[in-house]
Amino acid sequence: QKEVEQNSGPLSVPEGAIASLNCTYSDRGSQSFFWYRQYSGKSPELIMSIYSNGDKEDGRFTAQLNKASQYVSLLIRDSQPSDSATYLCAPEGNTGRRALTFGSGTRLQVQP
Amino acid sequence: GAVVSQHPSWVICKSGTSVKIECRSLDFQATTMFWYRQFPKQSLMLMATSNEGSKATYEQGVEKDKFLINHASLTLSTLTVTSAHPEDSSFYICSARFGRPNQPQHFGDGTRLSIL
Repeated sequence: QKEVEQNSGPLSVPEGAIASLNCTYSDRGSQSFFWYRQYSGKSPELIMSIYSNGDKEDGRFTAQLNKASQYVSLLIRDSQPSDSATYLCAPEGNTGRRALTFGSGTRLQVQP
Repeated sequence: GAVVSQHPSWVICKSGTSVKIECRSLDFQATTMFWYRQFPKQSLMLMATSNEGSKATYEQGVEKDKFLINHASLTLSTLTVTSAHPEDSSFYICSARFGRPNQPQHFGDGTRLSIL
């Protein structure tokens, strides 16, 4: 059974700090990885995608991937109260329909 | 960015009613659409995957006769919850993906379904 593990949190950081969100996955065949942000009562929105080992930066967000360790992370620099949400890690399966497997998500709280 | 429209946003209806939810990709052709269900304080659970012009693939435990999926075109998929009961009350979310490699899923705004 494919699993995605995330610390449920809440992860509380002060405004302006760096928030570090971690994720491990079990499907070694996964090649594409996505981070989604979900506000309470809303649907997920795409934050980052990463496909190769290493770091990928986009504005205040940096995704890190280590396929050998089956580990993905998301760093949020200069955290803002508007970043307070649940962050979902979603590896994509590499067979057939290429479905996403979602972790339970990490709830981030940015304190003003 | 890619836009996926989902309608209606919320539905309240009596037990036994059938409810249809539409999912449209507005600015791209979605070769694959996905339907998820999310209960309070839980993560998204994939219900089924649909490809244009073919039968949907349902996840284990999802009743295909209860959750009818039609993917008639590259921009439209529908989910019909037949004879809905209170236990079907949930947040239903669709997503769509373009067929090229390394393309993410883009989500609709979701439909909150409440069965009385």
